[in-house]
Amino acid sequence: GQQVMQIPQYQHVQEGEDFTTYCNSSTTLSNIQWYKQRPGGHPVFLIQLVKSGEVKKQKRLTFQFGEAKKNSSLHITATQTTDVGTYFCAGPVFQGYSTLTFGKGTMLLVSP
Amino acid sequence: NAGVTQTPKFRVLKTGQSMTLLCAQDMNHEYMYWYRQDPGMGLRLIHYSVGEGTTAKGEVPDGYNVSRLKKQNFLLGLESAAPSQTSVYFCASSYTDRETQYFGPGTRLLVL
Repeated sequence: GQQVMQIPQYQHVQEGEDFTTYCNSSTTLSNIQWYKQRPGGHPVFLIQLVKSGEVKKQKRLTFQFGEAKKNSSLHITATQTTDVGTYFCAGPVFQGYSTLTFGKGTMLLVSP
Repeated sequence: NAGVTQTPKFRVLKTGQSMTLLCAQDMNHEYMYWYRQDPGMGLRLIHYSVGEGTTAKGEVPDGYNVSRLKKQNFLLGLESAAPSQTSVYFCASSYTDRETQYFGPGTRLLVL
């Protein structure tokens, strides 16, 4: 079945450093979604990318969707302690109806 | 709006006991989902529903049953709990299968 893989699994940075997580799919995706889960919390939607090569920004966060629509990345510039959490990418799987397949996530720890 | 709510928040069961987890949403969403989250495994889809009266199997359905008798509620049942079902369970809902999923706060289940 379709797989969505994320790397790295874990990253520890100093506050102010940049951070990037990468997402790769075994199949072409119609769109990709990114979610953030704070420690002890629940996943919260961040953004959806639909177009090939699309780039979207949310303040210090930059999201990219690859030209082949099989990979995506999330880059955080100048991390802050509020960025701590696990970042998940998710892509649709079509089985009559579409459900989401989530990557295993990248856990980000930011030290002050 | 409360969004997506889940009850209970935490439960301890003995092996072989049964229980039902309740998910409720007040956003008039058609689609509802049950996921389990285990360390290092990301979010895995258990069952989902595309509308009132419908249910379908996800990636890891064994040992679980679901019902969607009312549009706003999605119930997850464990008939005979096993230690392997110790996990955090998240419910989510969405307008359509291609849109943002909104997650509930989660239910932490420990099976002894």
